Amino acid sequence: AQSVSQHNHHVILSEAASLELGCNYSYGGTVNLFWYVQYPGQHLQLLLKYFSGDPLVKGIKGFEAEFIKSKFSFNLRKPSVQWSDTAEYFCAVNARMDSSYKLIFGSGTRLLVRP
Amino acid sequence: DGGITQSPKYLFRKEGQNVTLSCEQNLNHDAMYWYRQDPGQGLRLIYYSQIVNDFQKGDIAEGYSVSREKKESFPLTVTSAQKNPTAFYLCASSIGRQGRPYEQYFGPGTRLTVT
Repeated sequence: AQSVSQHNHHVILSEAASLELGCNYSYGGTVNLFWYVQYPGQHLQLLLKYFSGDPLVKGIKGFEAEFIKSKFSFNLRKPSVQWSDTAEYFCAVNARMDSSYKLIFGSGTRLLVRP
Repeated sequence: DGGITQSPKYLFRKEGQNVTLSCEQNLNHDAMYWYRQDPGQGLRLIYYSQIVNDFQKGDIAEGYSVSREKKESFPLTVTSAQKNPTAFYLCASSIGRQGRPYEQYFGPGTRLTVT
């Protein structure tokens, strides 16, 4: 069965520290990968996505993610975090179901950035 | 403003009562989805609909029902048969042309508490 694993459930960093959140997926077909972010009190919103092409994907607010097919990974990175990055981050994979697709989410990582 | 609206933001119900959560989108998207979010479990798919008058069960459909009479609306009913209904419910939509993966856009969610 398809699944997505986010190994870090809670991460605490100081401002200006570098961030890397792990995401591994289990899916045998062609993958489309996403990172979504949920800021406190706000909608879940798309941070970045990978469909094909360059495996290094750049998203909003200085985030990037690298798709490594051999490792089934899609880790999220940011070189220098800000207090405003405090949020919950979800990795997701688009899995084929019948004639359509569904998103399978990881359990999420809560990031707290201390000023 | 284009987007997805969910109402109400907070909902309280007594055990044994059915309750309907509203989801409306003005993005002209074909596909709509309902997810349930529980702490530490990510998002799990309840139901989805690719076109009007058609919908499919997701991974955790038991105790829920939906309808899709209009393209812009996809209400979710949490029935008394749902054993653990207290949760945060998220509605999403995507362009959803059959057979193509597209990112999903999320509403602000409804927090349902059943006592």
